[in-house]
Amino acid sequence: DTGVSQDPRHKITKRGQNVTFRCDPISEHNRLYWYRQTLGQGPEFLTYFQNEAQLEKSRLLSDRFSAERPKGSFSTLEIQRTEQGDSAMYLCASGGSFYNEQFFGPGTRLTVL
Amino acid sequence: DQQVKQNSPSLSVQEGRISILNCDYTNSMFDYFLWYKKYPAEGPTFLISISSIKDKNEDGRFTVFLNKSAKHLSLHIVPSQPGDSAVYFCAAKGSNTGKLIFGQGTTLQVKP
Repeated sequence: DTGVSQDPRHKITKRGQNVTFRCDPISEHNRLYWYRQTLGQGPEFLTYFQNEAQLEKSRLLSDRFSAERPKGSFSTLEIQRTEQGDSAMYLCASGGSFYNEQFFGPGTRLTVL
Repeated sequence: DQQVKQNSPSLSVQEGRISILNCDYTNSMFDYFLWYKKYPAEGPTFLISISSIKDKNEDGRFTVFLNKSAKHLSLHIVPSQPGDSAVYFCAAKGSNTGKLIFGQGTTLQVKP
């Protein structure tokens, strides 16, 4: 049973650079979610896909953020022109459209210098 | 606007005793509630959930109680074990959305 995987696990970048993260969900799950977590807070929802369709986006997802799930399998989250405030743990989760539980990957820790 | 609140940042209990973690919510449209456990440098791990049509759900040492009138839920861990030491998050979901809304978390320490 392969869980949710995320790559890379850690990313250090300079302000202004673009970064891209990848998430591979549990294979039978048709929903994929992105969250962001900062120190001392719970995860905050960013966006989610059902198959390849992006169904919901948070106001947190500014124009610098874009997510894709082109074939309904893995997803990428890109942040353009990174800012120091983007430093956080980016979490991916997957689930099914007929149940509410979401299963999280290990996260990608982003540090913007 | 914090719709899900965990007012206790930390909790310390003795091994073998009961741990009770609390969570309050404000949105009456939430219809599903979940608890997650998180270790450092790992993603949250799903523990247990409850639908708003129930008031209790039990899974082994973990029991979740829901009081809709008070907009309050709690997680009971009996007996507590040192391996339960982690950050616990409650989360809530409405029926017309896919997103989970999380509380700030409670750090549980179980002392041997």
